[in-house]
Amino acid sequence: DQQVKQNSPSLSVQEGRISILNCDYTNSMFDYFLWYKKYPAEGPTFLISISSIKDKNEDGRFTVFLNKSAKHLSLHIVPSQPGDSAVYFCAARADTGNQFYFGTGTSLTVIP
Amino acid sequence: GAGVSQSPSNKVTEKGKDVELRCDPISGHTALYWYRQRLGQGLEFLIYFQGNSAPDKSGLPSDRFSAERTGESVSTLTIQRTQQEDSAVYLCASSPHRGTEAFFGQGTRLTVV
Repeated sequence: DQQVKQNSPSLSVQEGRISILNCDYTNSMFDYFLWYKKYPAEGPTFLISISSIKDKNEDGRFTVFLNKSAKHLSLHIVPSQPGDSAVYFCAARADTGNQFYFGTGTSLTVIP
Repeated sequence: GAGVSQSPSNKVTEKGKDVELRCDPISGHTALYWYRQRLGQGLEFLIYFQGNSAPDKSGLPSDRFSAERTGESVSTLTIQRTQQEDSAVYLCASSPHRGTEAFFGQGTRLTVV
């Protein structure tokens, strides 16, 4: 049973515009959320995280928003750059658990 | 090195053979994870080590899979009698302690022919 879902397999955005990647989860015990970026033939690279006590966390061009009532988080990239083209995974973990649960990823293409 | 190191990068093995994958975590990281990613799928949790505590083996798909970790250093993932469905990228990650983000290695691409 997929507890973290990324319903958009792919997304294309013009350079300079905003990229919005979405993620939904089903487990109300999740309290820590992360976004990873993955280039081909490389391992995932940590981007940004947010704990459930916050609804927003910002790091440079990357902002993560958390809506606990909707069990939804999103990653905003502004402005998007061609180097942002990669697969983005969201992940979540419960305070009482050990593993991170990952979504299936969204492939972002930023068009120059 | 500064990051998580995995070896080999690629492994091709015949069905029925045993394989051993190695992970060198970031120095000082007490937590270590193994995941795998099969083609077209997401990351699947396999096993978690935290310091000297008993590992969380809840993700291991069968008794052909096992993993060990010596203290807070190297970990090895062993797959016995490999099957074609074991073909995947096996990813190792470590974190300073349980409550923080995990840093991944580049993975080992295992192909069972």
